[in-house]
Amino acid sequence: AQSVTQLDSQVPVFEEAPVELRCNYSSSVSVYLFWYVQYPNQGLQLLLKYLSGSTLVKGINGFEAEFNKSQTSFHLRKPSVHISDTAEYFCAVSDRGNQGGKLIFGQGTELSVKP
Amino acid sequence: KAGVTQTPRYLIKTRGQQVTLSCSPISGHRSVSWYQQTPGQGLQFLFEYFSETQRNKGNFPGRFSGRQFSNSRSEMNVSTLELGDSALYLCASSPKWDSFEEQFFGPGTRLTVL
Repeated sequence: AQSVTQLDSQVPVFEEAPVELRCNYSSSVSVYLFWYVQYPNQGLQLLLKYLSGSTLVKGINGFEAEFNKSQTSFHLRKPSVHISDTAEYFCAVSDRGNQGGKLIFGQGTELSVKP
Repeated sequence: KAGVTQTPRYLIKTRGQQVTLSCSPISGHRSVSWYQQTPGQGLQFLFEYFSETQRNKGNFPGRFSGRQFSNSRSEMNVSTLELGDSALYLCASSPKWDSFEEQFFGPGTRLTVL
């Protein structure tokens, strides 16, 4: 079964600084990878996804992620963060079995942007 | 297009009661998946429904059940509530079965069990 590890539970950063949120997944077989953001008292919003093709994926709000198959990583980056980026970020991987698929989520990284 | 809606948004129940949560998918979407989010266990898959049939199920006890109606709306039910069932329950809709690359999440229902 797939698993996802988000290496940092909390990442504090100052406004306008760059940030990287790290994500590793367990399987080397073909997978789909996702980053979601969750603002307080809200559901999950898709930031970006990797399905195939270019390993550098651009998403909404200036975020991007790089798929690295050899390191089984999918780290999320933003060159300059804003206060409004303060939220929890979840990395997820597709997991397909005989009875269908589901998303396997990491434990989340709380990004806190300080002025 | 309206997004995924979940009702109610907040719910307080006591141990031993049962609860029903509702999810209306995006118009035209036929698959609904349910996830439980807790601080300890994170986000965990409950089940997926497509064309009124449960297609996939996560590792939850039989107290957790669901159904889907012909208009694709889905309900999940939890019977004999336990304190540990307190969680945010999220549903996600997608156009077709097993299509999580096009999955959209609702705002969730916050269930508190006292």
